[in-house]
Amino acid sequence: DIQLTQSPSSLSASIGDRVTITCQASQGVKRYLNWFQQKPGKAPKLLIYDASNLETGVPSRFSGTGSGTHFTFTISSLQPEDTATYFCQQYDDLPFLTFGGGTRVELK
Amino acid sequence: QVQLQESGPGLVRPSDTLSLNCTVSGGSISGSNYYWGWIRQPPGKELEWIGSVYYRGSTYYKSSLRSRLAISVDASKDQLSLRLSSVTAADTAVYYCTRGAMLWGQGILVTVSS
Repeated sequence: DIQLTQSPSSLSASIGDRVTITCQASQGVKRYLNWFQQKPGKAPKLLIYDASNLETGVPSRFSGTGSGTHFTFTISSLQPEDTATYFCQQYDDLPFLTFGGGTRVELK
Repeated sequence: QVQLQESGPGLVRPSDTLSLNCTVSGGSISGSNYYWGWIRQPPGKELEWIGSVYYRGSTYYKSSLRSRLAISVDASKDQLSLRLSSVTAADTAVYYCTRGAMLWGQGILVTVSS
């Protein structure tokens, strides 16, 4: 199985701050990595697909970079509605999907 | 726009079989080149892929669940099904059906309890 190590597991930031989350794959996944946002009691929402493509309707303050084994997710200017858990998902080994452990983003 | 909707009992007794369905609307299971699958998330824990079925019928299961799990499609109903036998409290989770990696249903909470 491809393991995804996501860090940090939680962070606290102020409105307007730049927030960065990393996802490290145990083996190369090319660019087959997605980023999701999950709020309590809700289904995950796709934000970034194929490492860096912004899903339709998602604000441009969200972005992703990377390929192979190292990926980065960024919120350029944190907004109150961005408090949520974010996680990465690889699908290079489809259908055997794996997920990062998640990062809880809170407001300071 | 394709949408997925899970359905089934929210409470299952230990040692019984958990059965869920996922209805696909706005599209066809058989007419599309996708893996259809199930992901679950125990309360407060990480997401876990548990299995998938290719639209042509091949199945793929998480190794630790293979002996208890069956996933199938009913193309006539555009429906995906999951059956997990001999459940325990550890199977309590929100179960999501998915198309590929990116399209998810809203999820259904299944609690295993007597």
